[in-house]
Amino acid sequence: DAKTTQPPSMDCAEGRAANLPCNHSTISGNEYVYWYRQIHSQGPQYIIHGLKNNETNEMASLIITEDRKSSTLILPHATLRDTAVYYCIVSSGGGADGLTFGKGTHLIIQP
Amino acid sequence: GAVVSQHPSRVICKSGTSVKIECRSLDFQATTMFWYRQFPKQSLMLMATSNEGSKATYEQGVEKDKFLINHASLTLSTLTVTSAHPEDSSFYICSASWLAGIETQYFGPGTRLLVL
Repeated sequence: DAKTTQPPSMDCAEGRAANLPCNHSTISGNEYVYWYRQIHSQGPQYIIHGLKNNETNEMASLIITEDRKSSTLILPHATLRDTAVYYCIVSSGGGADGLTFGKGTHLIIQP
Repeated sequence: GAVVSQHPSRVICKSGTSVKIECRSLDFQATTMFWYRQFPKQSLMLMATSNEGSKATYEQGVEKDKFLINHASLTLSTLTVTSAHPEDSSFYICSASWLAGIETQYFGPGTRLLVL
């Protein structure tokens, strides 16, 4: 699976949009981009995933660049409960293969 | 989304004893389950992959005789830490996926193991 690069930490004001970047310059054509988050002492929570089109669900939006070498997760209206470590993972078989977690981005929502 | 549970949520045991952790998929049939381990201030590390009715596949460096995995049904996988030692103290997390939703896996809440 391709490796990803994320900033180690970010701050965002409550109520604002949180934009979390991820670089995955070695992504292969059949690899998806997945985003999970882990709130302290809990299991990871699935957020969203995509292949090449932008995706949106009730939690977030995922913007993937045209060359697929980077992506941005957008939390449109961040709340204090969104404080967590966010992991960007690329995988060709997200349900069939184990995932390789990097260090992620520690997002802190400030009141 | 799909719900995965783990039991117990935390366990304390004496060195040398064995501990069993259960992972259940509550609202779907999990054809594949995964076990991860997370040490303090580190990221999750995949330990093994198990498909229902088959032997588990272990990652390099994970002792299969120490971490016994059973996936006997489509809703239950167990991880047994045999002869646990203090260095096995960690946060153990399972995840599960099903054939129809093969693009995604869902995680349990984790089990914190402390070996004294």
